[in-house]
Amino acid sequence: QVQLVQSGAEVKKPGSSVKVSCKASGGTFSSYAISWVRQAPGQGLEWMGRIIPILGIANYAQKFQGRVTITADKSTSTAYMELSSLRSEDTAVYYCAREGGGDFRGDNWFDPWGQGTLVTVSS
Amino acid sequence: QAVLTQPSSLSASPGASASLTCTLRSGINVGTYRIYWYQQKPGSPPQYLLRYKSDSDKQQGSGVPSRFSGSKDASANAGILLISGLQSEDEADYYCMIWHSSFVVFGGGTKLTVL
Repeated sequence: QVQLVQSGAEVKKPGSSVKVSCKASGGTFSSYAISWVRQAPGQGLEWMGRIIPILGIANYAQKFQGRVTITADKSTSTAYMELSSLRSEDTAVYYCAREGGGDFRGDNWFDPWGQGTLVTVSS
Repeated sequence: QAVLTQPSSLSASPGASASLTCTLRSGINVGTYRIYWYQQKPGSPPQYLLRYKSDSDKQQGSGVPSRFSGSKDASANAGILLISGLQSEDEADYYCMIWHSSFVVFGGGTKLTVL
């Protein structure tokens, strides 16, 4: 059974960047897309983008275009999400999630999810 | 107008049923979408519950009890998560999700209180 383990909490200054990792264990990594979803304190879920590791192709939500980069390292079964030009509104828990179904076209469920990484942006 | 609209809160009694709605924006036909549902408890990541498009295109998440089920109300242009035989452990936030033009959209979530 695949598990996703994310890197630890981060505290960043406004204007800086953060890179969060998501390591898969116990299952096939490259054959499934990975999505990133964030959740601001007390707020709902917000999809940021996804990557298909076996193809190295990523696409991003319009809101984050130009500010987010999602990558994957097949050799270590790890996906990464880097967010730049951080502002206070980016304070949130960031989750990675594996898409089920193995259909790269999308329209898949998200399971499992990583445990989440709290990113705090504060001066 | 948001793509997916969920009521912010809902209360129901133990043993009763709860119907959580996810209304699609006008112009987006619920009939063409798979609606995904997630449950989230405080301090934990969301957990996948089920997917529903039609009675011939639906899926229950692994280990999810059958008292969680999906349906649609075409007249309301909405997806529905029905939870029957409510238990105290069902108290959580529930989110619907669709894939819209190759992008993922979440509803704002419904906080279900069981009291």
